[in-house]
Amino acid sequence: SQTIHQWPATLVQPVGSPLSLECTVEGTSNPNLYWYRQAAGRGLQLLFYSVGIGQISSEVPQNLSASRPQDRQFILSSKKLLLSDSGFYLCAWSRGETYEQYFGPGTRLTVT
Amino acid sequence: KNQVEQSPQSLIILEGKNCTLQCNYTVSPFSNLRWYKQDTGRGPVSLTIMTFSENTKSNGRYTATLDADTKQSSLHITASQLSDSASYICVVSGLTGFQKLVFGTGTRLLVSP
Repeated sequence: SQTIHQWPATLVQPVGSPLSLECTVEGTSNPNLYWYRQAAGRGLQLLFYSVGIGQISSEVPQNLSASRPQDRQFILSSKKLLLSDSGFYLCAWSRGETYEQYFGPGTRLTVT
Repeated sequence: KNQVEQSPQSLIILEGKNCTLQCNYTVSPFSNLRWYKQDTGRGPVSLTIMTFSENTKSNGRYTATLDADTKQSSLHITASQLSDSASYICVVSGLTGFQKLVFGTGTRLLVSP
């Protein structure tokens, strides 16, 4: 069976500090990978998606970036966090030929 | 503009009662519609997924309906349990050539004893 992991579960960072969130998927190969952000009281917003190693597409211009160094690893980064980066970050995966997306447990980021 | 609107925003019901959540969308063209359950502080979990040719799908006590003509969907929860307390998110996929989804803001359901 497939599982998706995210860490850390919670993070408190000061404004201007760097960020690195990691997501890994087990039990499948060549998944599509996604990063979403969920602000309080709002719907999920797609930030990045990847269809393969080194292939990243961005949906929203911002100070965040994503990388996919390995087939089942997806990393969300920032060089300098803003207060507006606070939120709940979710990683998801899907098989290339199906529509279903499976979400990880999420990371709660608070920028102070 | 592709949008998904859900109502009500929040709902409180007594344990054992039924309830129905609504979803209206303007996503076009349309590929499929799904309902997710999201517990507080957790990732969403899929309940149902329906293509345009399906008008109802069940998953245990959850039954989703879809009217592709009026672009409306509903999620009916039968005999609610305390564990049903969560946010329920309607998500619509358009034919974009990639699996991009349009998310509703969700209905927060509280089942009280």
